[in-house]
Amino acid sequence: EDKVVQSPLSLVVHEGDTVTLNCSYEVTNFRSLLWYKQEKKAPTFLFMLTSSGIEKKSGRLSSILDKKELFSILNITATQTGDSAVYLCAVLSGNTGKLIFGQGTTLQVKP
Amino acid sequence: NAGVTQTPKFRILKIGQSMTLQCTQDMNHNYMYWYRQDPGMGLKLIYYSVGAGITDKGEVPNGYNVSRSTTEDFPLRLELAAPSQTSVYFCASSYDWQFDEQYFGPGTRLTVT
Repeated sequence: EDKVVQSPLSLVVHEGDTVTLNCSYEVTNFRSLLWYKQEKKAPTFLFMLTSSGIEKKSGRLSSILDKKELFSILNITATQTGDSAVYLCAVLSGNTGKLIFGQGTTLQVKP
Repeated sequence: NAGVTQTPKFRILKIGQSMTLQCTQDMNHNYMYWYRQDPGMGLKLIYYSVGAGITDKGEVPNGYNVSRSTTEDFPLRLELAAPSQTSVYFCASSYDWQFDEQYFGPGTRLTVT
């Protein structure tokens, strides 16, 4: 059975800290891995990763994929209270756009 | 562009009632999806559609039905509501299934009592 597992499930840090969120997967017919941010409403897209070892970066957020070890990490540097959210990892599987989601990591950034 | 819109935002149903959750997108996307999100969990795929007239089951289709008569609309029907269907429902769409991210609607919070 296809599976996506995120860790930790929750995390509390202070502003300015750096955090690393983990996502491991066991999925047949892997196409790509996506990260979304969810702030009490619809998930918003962060990154799509298809190739191993190539870091994607957007401001203070960055992510990398390891297709050999079947995991991805999402890094957030110099965290701000606005980074508080649930971060969802999802793997695109098959030929029709099916996303398999992990359970999410809840990040709380304290002032 | 309004993107992906969903109605209603909130709904309370009694056990056994039926309802339709509406989803519309104005981005001319072929691919559309329905997910449910239970508290503290990720999203699970209910049904998806690869184009008008074509739908297929996802991970958790039991108790739901869908139709796709137009590119824009992808309604989700609950025939006999059960407490286990209490959840937040998200509709999403994408232009290309492989290289494009899925764009999500704002969600419908459904409670069945």
